[in-house]
Amino acid sequence: LAKTTQPISMDSYEGQEVNITCSHNNIATNDYITWYQQFPSQGPRFIIQGYKTKVTNEVASLFIPADRKSSTLSLPRVSLSDTAVYYCLVGDMGNNAGNMLTFGGGTRLMVKP
Amino acid sequence: DSGVTQTPKHLITATGQRVTLRCSPRSGDLSVYWYQQSLDQGLQFLIQYYNGEERAKGNILERFSAQQFPDLHSELNLSSLELGDSALYFCASSVDPGGSYNEQFFGPGTRLTVL
Repeated sequence: LAKTTQPISMDSYEGQEVNITCSHNNIATNDYITWYQQFPSQGPRFIIQGYKTKVTNEVASLFIPADRKSSTLSLPRVSLSDTAVYYCLVGDMGNNAGNMLTFGGGTRLMVKP
Repeated sequence: DSGVTQTPKHLITATGQRVTLRCSPRSGDLSVYWYQQSLDQGLQFLIQYYNGEERAKGNILERFSAQQFPDLHSELNLSSLELGDSALYFCASSVDPGGSYNEQFFGPGTRLTVL
């Protein structure tokens, strides 16, 4: 069972790049790493997912080292609207029945003007 | 709007009671997931259904049960409620294309308050 650990909070300023790291030492071979964003009183929203190396989409990049025991979500040039809680999720959401999905405790990002 | 609907939005009940939370997944999504989010526990995975069958089980108490119906909507039943069951309950759905890449779409949640 992959236990995930994230920093509780981070502060940044508008226009800066923010990197949030998640540790998942017990990640299994079939596990993927997914990051979600959550605003107050809303459901989490998918940001990015990856298995290894680097994944990039229009809003973020995800860096996963070769040992896959950690991952880093990178948000380029954050704005005030990026203030939210960011969760990493580790698990196998494919065809393997019975696999747990484990969320990290969440990182509360505060973007200041 | 994620396309996932949950009812009711709020629910207030007493200890010992039983409630049912309902979730309608996005059109075309076959997988439904249930999560509990409380202040001290964060987001906890409860259970997953795929096309009517249970696929994965997380930290779901024996007092809780779920099912997914032929029309793919799902219900989470919580019984013998305790104060500690007060939380936000989220439902999510995904297409589940058969590979491990899987984007879950979350509903707005049901806020349960047990008095």
